[in-house]
Amino acid sequence: QSVLTQPPSASGTPGQRVTIPCSGSSSNIGRKTVQWYQQLPGTAPKLLIYNNDQRPSGVPDRISGSKSGTSASLAISGLQSEDEADYYCVGWDDSLNAVVFGGGTKLTVL
Amino acid sequence: EVQLVESGGGLVQPGGSLRLSCAASGFTFSDFWMTWVRQTPGRGLEWVATIKPDGSEKYYVDSLKGRFTISRDNAKNSLYLQMNSLSAEDTALYYCARSLLAVTSYWGQGTLVTVSS
Repeated sequence: QSVLTQPPSASGTPGQRVTIPCSGSSSNIGRKTVQWYQQLPGTAPKLLIYNNDQRPSGVPDRISGSKSGTSASLAISGLQSEDEADYYCVGWDDSLNAVVFGGGTKLTVL
Repeated sequence: EVQLVESGGGLVQPGGSLRLSCAASGFTFSDFWMTWVRQTPGRGLEWVATIKPDGSEKYYVDSLKGRFTISRDNAKNSLYLQMNSLSAEDTALYYCARSLLAVTSYWGQGTLVTVSS
């Protein structure tokens, strides 16, 4: 059972906007930043969002992150087939003194 | 070009040990926090351990404390993970990652560890 909670699956049609939530607590998301990773099949995870809502260079602006209280979310607009992947939220937990991952959300583009 | 190349994985019997290595190039290794993350199909991504740039601080997931040891050799641009008393539950793809929680994040392609008799 993961410290950060994500739905196991999400889906959308091409062009749609999809949101993936990540729920935590006051010891992790509530006081620390959240990062989001995308993992395409057979590849290593790639950083999509850091510091809650910042995009590394090369990540398109149709991908965005936000945080409110003890929850965070990743939004992908203008959904494309290439967005079909697993998405993970991750952060630091001050009580556990540990990095904590969400369980991952498999995004399917219908 | 930044590169992280893991090695040392393979088949090991239950109760055995393995030492994973991660060779870094293309950046100043001694400037960065480094992390081991593992992945199994059933458990997604699992953080294993993180080490400070100078090696003075190390953090481990509670469930692996005492069995796994993270270390680094900045002179050799290398990160290590010593794994002891291995069980089937340790079977996973092990990734080496730079700056897991920062914009400078970069991951290797992983090395597979299989624990089986």
